[in-house]
Amino acid sequence: DVKVTQSSRYLVKRTGEKVFLECVQDMDHENMFWYRQDPGLGLRLIYFSYDVKMKEKGDIPEGYSVSREKKERFSLILESASTNQTSMYLCASSFGESGANVLTFGAGSRLTVL
Amino acid sequence: SQKIEQNSEALNIQEGKTATLTCNYTNYSPAYLQWYRQDPGRGPVFLLLIRENEKEKRKERLKVTFDTTLKQSLFHITASQPADSATYLCALSSGGYNKLIFGAGTRLAVHP
Repeated sequence: DVKVTQSSRYLVKRTGEKVFLECVQDMDHENMFWYRQDPGLGLRLIYFSYDVKMKEKGDIPEGYSVSREKKERFSLILESASTNQTSMYLCASSFGESGANVLTFGAGSRLTVL
Repeated sequence: SQKIEQNSEALNIQEGKTATLTCNYTNYSPAYLQWYRQDPGRGPVFLLLIRENEKEKRKERLKVTFDTTLKQSLFHITASQPADSATYLCALSSGGYNKLIFGAGTRLAVHP
């Protein structure tokens, strides 16, 4: 069964802490994505990567950075967490560059920043 | 700016009836439209994809329509079951690298 695995389901951090959210996929997909999901706002794209060491900003990249050193792993980094970054974070992957390809999501990481 | 609208109010229906969910968009010309299902505390799961040149797509009890003139997609679940209760998200893409734009989703509750 193909999978996107997010290492942490629930995290509680303090304001100003550095936070790492890890995502691993076992499908040999080229593309990987980080979204955040907030009530009433839907999924908003933070960053995506279409190849190792490549990254592109999404719609809301401020306050975040990413790292993709290996094809299967895509990390989201909050350099200095703030309370407005409390959210559900979803990692996804897909194959190829056609807009017809679908996303496979992880189970999500719920981050609370106090 | 691009906008996708899904009914924010929950849709409550009786088991066995057909559920119809709506996705409207503005300032956008998508080539593809996808529907996902999301259960509480879980990531979305892909259900169906329809292309701009397709009017309708079916999969078992699911049917999606795509009207590029009205800028609207309808998602139907026939013979609905309590297990169909979930939030359903529509997502649009205009092309490469799957830069999908998602709606906020509509919660469906199917009552026995």
